[in-house]
Amino acid sequence: KAGVTQTPRYLIKTRGQQVTLSCSPISGHRSVSWYQQTPGQGLQFLFEYFSETQRNKGNFPGRFSGRQFSNSRSEMNVSTLELGDSALYLCASTSEQGARSNEQFFGPGTRLTVL
Amino acid sequence: AQKVTQAQTEISVVEKEDVTLDCVYETRDTTYYLFWYKQPPSGELVFLIRRNSFDEQNEISGRYSWNFQKSTSSFNFTITASQVVDSAVYFCALSDSDMDTGRRALTFGSGTRLQVQP
Repeated sequence: KAGVTQTPRYLIKTRGQQVTLSCSPISGHRSVSWYQQTPGQGLQFLFEYFSETQRNKGNFPGRFSGRQFSNSRSEMNVSTLELGDSALYLCASTSEQGARSNEQFFGPGTRLTVL
Repeated sequence: AQKVTQAQTEISVVEKEDVTLDCVYETRDTTYYLFWYKQPPSGELVFLIRRNSFDEQNEISGRYSWNFQKSTSSFNFTITASQVVDSAVYFCALSDSDMDTGRRALTFGSGTRLQVQP
């Protein structure tokens, strides 16, 4: 089975711009979660999508949003970028069934740099 | 609120030494999951183990072993006979799993950087 894929792998943007990141989960996984990793704050949960619905959200401002498509692929969007949004954004997919349910498998991440 | 503490920021050992990474967690949930992930320099989080709150059996997988103790809210990870390839940042995480809605969010510790010197 192919793993979680994220595109692009690297992005450079300037303050005030917006950005869209993409995540394709493992085939058959319907839950996709997003995390932000920074040196200062560590790994923090952004949101989770399941069957095209956001069912959990972390403590991030409204500039961070996401969506999920019918094929379970997910996108996250950050509007009006700030310098502090520079981070590694990780996507994880989770199986809902079977012995490996609740195991979150992570993609390689998208490294966003805001100048 | 959930919390995961990894008090060891960085550990340096010489190859073949055994090393234990500590993890202490806080949760009010009676049902929860604990995880360990490895993050090599490439950045990808590699899943190592999941343990649910009802299973306190220790587990061994090759050179890796895990000691889960609910009484002390700890889930420690030991690498036996460490190798240079074990050098990475290791994260302990706790799952906020709402069994009714299936909602999940991982709360991560701050990570322990392990350096294994040849």
